[in-house]
Amino acid sequence: AQRVTQPEKLLSVFKGAPVELKCNYSYSGSPELFWYVQYSRQRLQLLLRHISRESIKGFTADLNKGETSFHLKKPFAQEEDSAMYYCALGSDSSNTGKLIFGQGTTLQVKP
Amino acid sequence: DAGVTQSPTHLIKTRGQQVTLRCSPKSGHDTVSWYQQALGQGPQFIFQYYEEEERQRGNFPDRFSGHQFPNYSSELNVNALLLGDSALYLCASSFSNIQYFGAGTRLSVL
Repeated sequence: AQRVTQPEKLLSVFKGAPVELKCNYSYSGSPELFWYVQYSRQRLQLLLRHISRESIKGFTADLNKGETSFHLKKPFAQEEDSAMYYCALGSDSSNTGKLIFGQGTTLQVKP
Repeated sequence: DAGVTQSPTHLIKTRGQQVTLRCSPKSGHDTVSWYQQALGQGPQFIFQYYEEEERQRGNFPDRFSGHQFPNYSSELNVNALLLGDSALYLCASSFSNIQYFGAGTRLSVL
């Protein structure tokens, strides 16, 4: 079965500290992984897509097929990074775009 | 481009009633997906519409139905509402496997 697990409901760090938001997935095919972010009072928006292999707002994520993980990392957290982060799994087949989301991790960056 | 728009923003219904939620996709997007997000949970896929047909469906009962119009806008209908249907309903439109979300409709069933 396809599944996304985000083991931490809340991650609290101080400004300037490194951040790692964990995501593990279960999928038998070749996955497409995304990170979505929701800032306070804003809609869900795409942060990263694994196939683009880019850094957005200082965040990076590497797909590790051996460990079935797609952890989100940032070397120095900023207060404006405080938000809810969702890891999502898409299917590589038929380009249907169905997404399976994890339960989300709230990132709290303290001053 | 206003992005994905959903209406209404909030809705209160009673058990047994029926509800219709509406979604206008981002300009140029031909695919619309609907998700249910219960409090404290991630969004759960309900179904997806493409070319006015339901292309894929998640694990939701037949009480949940939808429609897509020729202009790509979409409706989500829920019949015989249950208390457990209370949630945020999100619409997402996509063109090339990237989904753009609306702000959602908050449905409360009393």
